[in-house]
Formats: sequence, structure tokens, C-alpha cells
Amino acid sequence: GAGVSQSPSNKVTEKGKDVELRCDPISGHTALYWYRQRLGQGLEFLIYFQGNSAPDKSGLPSDRFSAERTGESVSTLTIQRTQQEDSAVYLCASSLWVYNEQFFGPGTRLTVL
Amino acid sequence: AQTVTQSQPEMSVQEAETVTLSCTYDTSENNYYLFWYKQPPSRQMILVIRQEAYKQQNATENRFSVNFQKAAKSFSLKISDSQLGDTAMYFCAFQGSVRGGADGLTFGKGTHLIIQP
Repeated sequence: GAGVSQSPSNKVTEKGKDVELRCDPISGHTALYWYRQRLGQGLEFLIYFQGNSAPDKSGLPSDRFSAERTGESVSTLTIQRTQQEDSAVYLCASSLWVYNEQFFGPGTRLTVL
Repeated sequence: AQTVTQSQPEMSVQEAETVTLSCTYDTSENNYYLFWYKQPPSRQMILVIRQEAYKQQNATENRFSVNFQKAAKSFSLKISDSQLGDTAMYFCAFQGSVRGGADGLTFGKGTHLIIQP
């Protein structure tokens, strides 16, 4: 079946603009995760959804970041008033249940000029 | 908070050799999950192997095996008969069980493994 998909694959934006990143998880997966990977670094956890609910949003780097999930499917990560330090690859992952294997999408490379 | 440490930023071995990547972690939890993920230049994260802390038997997947030492909080990955396609970044990751997944995976900084022909 189809894997996790993310769009766009690349996004170049100007400092101060808002961006929206989309994740389509594997159908039937209840858990969904967002991570950020800065150049040459490991992955940094941002937020987790169980169904449509995010029990803890404290991993989001600042209040410019928000995320939602609808219909236990698609999730969007929104970054408002982008800054250059937001430049990174944003990865989404989903799993059947919280402690199962996380399947990752190909990521969105965000570049803020 | 949990931490994961990978002390080898880069390793290089010849094709067909065996290589071991090290990982240590710090946690106060007793039940947790450990993972090795591979990230080739394509950027796609791929699960290599998964270990549940309550299982004493080391996990194996074909040429990949782990040496899980719970008391030492060590989780090394051994790749046997290494192949050119094994060239990638390898990340060790930890997932606790106390907060029901709300902390996601905690990743190490990665080891860049290069397989030389």
C-alpha cells in the first residue's frame, strides 16, 4: 500500500511569511508524529497525535508553530512568520499504534531566505 | 528527559566486513523501546531493527543484529557482511512508555557509515 506522503517536497519562502506543510499518513494509522531535522543533525521531536488529539504541544519550538490533524488522517504543520532558523527538513511519521514501528515520509525541505 | 548518545560521527569499512555502531542512552524508565533507523542520501528514514527493553533476547534482522545491555544502557548495532547499499546515516532512537508516546522518539546525532568497495 501507499506509504506516508508529504507535500510539498521543497518549499522556499521569505522571512516573515507563513508556510503550511502537509502529511498524509498510512491509512488506518492512529498515531502521527512530526519531527524536524536541521542540516547534519538528528531528528528533533515536535508533536504527536493520537487520533485527532495532541496530548502535549510543548515540543513545538515556539508559538509560531501549530499543528492539527483532521479525520484521523491528514495533518498540517503551520509555521507563522518564518525565521531563518526554521530552515530544516520537516519529517512526518505514522504508526498503527503508539509503540509500533514509525513509518516516515520523505520530508519537506523548508528554506527561509 | 531521555538522552541518546552516538559517539562515532563517521565510520568507514570495506565491503563484506563486519561493523559495529555504538549507542548509549540515559533513562529512568524500566520499560521502553529502542530502534536503529537508516537514512540514505534519499533522506527516507527506514527502520533497521527494534528492541523492546523487557525482552532479554537481542533482536536480529538478517545481517543486522543488536547487542542490548540494559544495565549498561547500551544498544549497539552490528552489520555483518556489509554491502555498498548499507552506506547511510544510522540513527539510534529511544521511545519511553510512561507518557504513552507523547515524547515521540528521541534520536542520537547519528553515525555516517561509509562502505568502501
